[in-house]
Amino acid sequence: GEDVEQSLFLSVREGDSSVINCTYTDSSSTYLYWYKQEPGAGLQLLTYIFSNMDMKQDQRLTVLLNKKDKHLSLRIADTQTGDSAIYFCAEMRNTDKLIFGTGTRLQVFP
Amino acid sequence: NAGVTQTPKFRILKIGQSMTLQCTQDMNHNYMYWYRQDPGMGLKLIYYSVGAGITDKGEVPNGYNVSRSTTEDFPLRLELAAPSQTSVYFCASFERKAEAFFGQGTRLTVV
Repeated sequence: GEDVEQSLFLSVREGDSSVINCTYTDSSSTYLYWYKQEPGAGLQLLTYIFSNMDMKQDQRLTVLLNKKDKHLSLRIADTQTGDSAIYFCAEMRNTDKLIFGTGTRLQVFP
Repeated sequence: NAGVTQTPKFRILKIGQSMTLQCTQDMNHNYMYWYRQDPGMGLKLIYYSVGAGITDKGEVPNGYNVSRSTTEDFPLRLELAAPSQTSVYFCASFERKAEAFFGQGTRLTVV
């Protein structure tokens, strides 16, 4: 289908790792992104990966890309309560359309 | 450097009224995008532009129009507002494809 899919909810204990998954649609997408949205706020770019890479690490964040399966994941190490938010993946298609996923609500409990 | 500025922040429209949502960026970005986000949902692409004078439809263009006469401005026009257009609207701009800047959003209610 045309939708970029994510699971709706993820609940983790503080200090554990979180893994948020995304299945995108266009194998020719050039960039893939992860955004964070806190309640009532706009979107904050967390990290991105170019399609010729399979992994990118940025402090507590690790992005894995499986182009064959069109699967993207975001791992947050040592998850904190401040990480509670909605996380969106997005793909930049070669038509220059930037398409967002359905969003995953991450809840971190003590 | 203001980034991406959207106005107004809030608006209530009556069914059938029209309005223009303004989006301005001061970063000389070529790429600009309009999205809507319904409650509890993701962002849907309405229209986008890869440069002045060029616009293209996104996923949900019906009921909207855009223009891009300058690099800085990308207004979104609603004609004949309908309750289904109640949403939060976000504008975004890019210089390179790796870095997108979003406005703070316009919350629109159509009653």
